[in-house]
Amino acid sequence: NAGVTQTPKFQVLKTGQSMTLQCAQDMNHEYMSWYRQDPGMGLRLIHYSVGAGITDQGEVPNGYNVSRSTTEDFPLRLLSAAPSQTSVYFCASSQQVGISEAFFGQGTRLTVV
Amino acid sequence: AQRVTQPEKLLSVFKGAPVELKCNYSYSGSPELFWYVQYSRQRLQLLLRHISRESIKGFTADLNKGETSFHLKKPFAQEEDSAMYYCALSMGGATNKLIFGTGTLLAVQP
Repeated sequence: NAGVTQTPKFQVLKTGQSMTLQCAQDMNHEYMSWYRQDPGMGLRLIHYSVGAGITDQGEVPNGYNVSRSTTEDFPLRLLSAAPSQTSVYFCASSQQVGISEAFFGQGTRLTVV
Repeated sequence: AQRVTQPEKLLSVFKGAPVELKCNYSYSGSPELFWYVQYSRQRLQLLLRHISRESIKGFTADLNKGETSFHLKKPFAQEEDSAMYYCALSMGGATNKLIFGTGTLLAVQP
């Protein structure tokens, strides 16, 4: 089982560049989300989606866009990268309804110089 | 506002010693709480959830609504327990959002 797959694993960007972090899941989960992990701050929710065509903002959405055209994919776009976006990014998926386990990708380590 | 607090950034114990990782939460609704663990070079994964009332790898956690706590405990720590532990609160309902604490790094010394 692939579970949740994130690409790339590592990325270095220059300030002002744009890029898309890919996330795909093969468990037919309705709910998907993006987190960033920073030292001393834990995981903070960036955006989430409760199903195809539906997205919403989390705690720290500024500078990021998402879309959900299919159940499987939930890409995260950085519009104009800034050094403050240097972080480790995690994608997660879970069943929408009820108390369900979140399955995480392996993470993308992004450095913005 | 919903919040999860893990007061310890680092907890260092010797092998065989008891472990307690603290977690307190703030939530006006009925809480659904989880512990997630991240071992070195591995992805974040579920350790246990309060609704299951189960013991996983010797760890247990009891929800105390009076003290708004969900501390993680293990009577005898093992070196392989060394990892980053996150307490998380689920908003449940239609959104199923997870709010994470800042995490505690558990280091078990030989």
